Amino acid sequence: EIVMTQTPLSSLVTLGQPASISCRSSRSLVHSDGNTYLRWLHQRPGQPPRLLIHMISHRFSGVPDRFSGSGAGTEFTLRISRVEAEDVGLYYCMQGSQFPYTFGQGTKVEIK
Amino acid sequence: EVQLLESGGGLVQPGGSLRISCAGSGFTFSSYAMTWVRQAPGKGLEWVSTIVSAGDNTFYADSVKGRFTISRDNPQNTLYLQMNTLRAEDTAVYFCVRNWAGDYWGQGTLVIVSS
Repeated sequence: EIVMTQTPLSSLVTLGQPASISCRSSRSLVHSDGNTYLRWLHQRPGQPPRLLIHMISHRFSGVPDRFSGSGAGTEFTLRISRVEAEDVGLYYCMQGSQFPYTFGQGTKVEIK
Repeated sequence: EVQLLESGGGLVQPGGSLRISCAGSGFTFSSYAMTWVRQAPGKGLEWVSTIVSAGDNTFYADSVKGRFTISRDNPQNTLYLQMNTLRAEDTAVYFCVRNWAGDYWGQGTLVIVSS
């Protein structure tokens, strides 16, 4: 199976400042159809995850434009341009290119 | 508005069985693959199973293969997960998720396997 590794596992950020999370996959996530099914999810405490970014860099419906995704192959990054209080919680990368689908360990984002 | 409402979770003894359900609304249920993802208490996310839109092809994690069965009733807009031979390590919140790798997520239903 494809192993997804996130760094850092914890991040203390200042309101209004940028933040970034990296995700590395153990194999290329390029699917046979040419697409790369790398997603980013956000989970607030006590809530289900919600989709932020799909196919590396496409923001999902209703996601603020302060969230952006980038990367290719095996290296991916989620960036928050200016962190807001509602951005706290856990962030997961996930690959949907090959079964079994797999998730990163999660990165906990907290406000200083 | 897309809504996914899971039900059927609860306490079950090791070796027992349970069927959980997910009612979808606000979208054309029969047009989408559907997925179950679980989260053990205090842990990360684990993909469990996916079923194609027509229901004629299914995929499972190795950890549940042979014990869990995913199915769907498209006229009733409902997704199911039949869980047999349950183990303590199956204790988790089970999320119903629309689409192959998920776009909309339900609130989840808690399954506790304990004697």
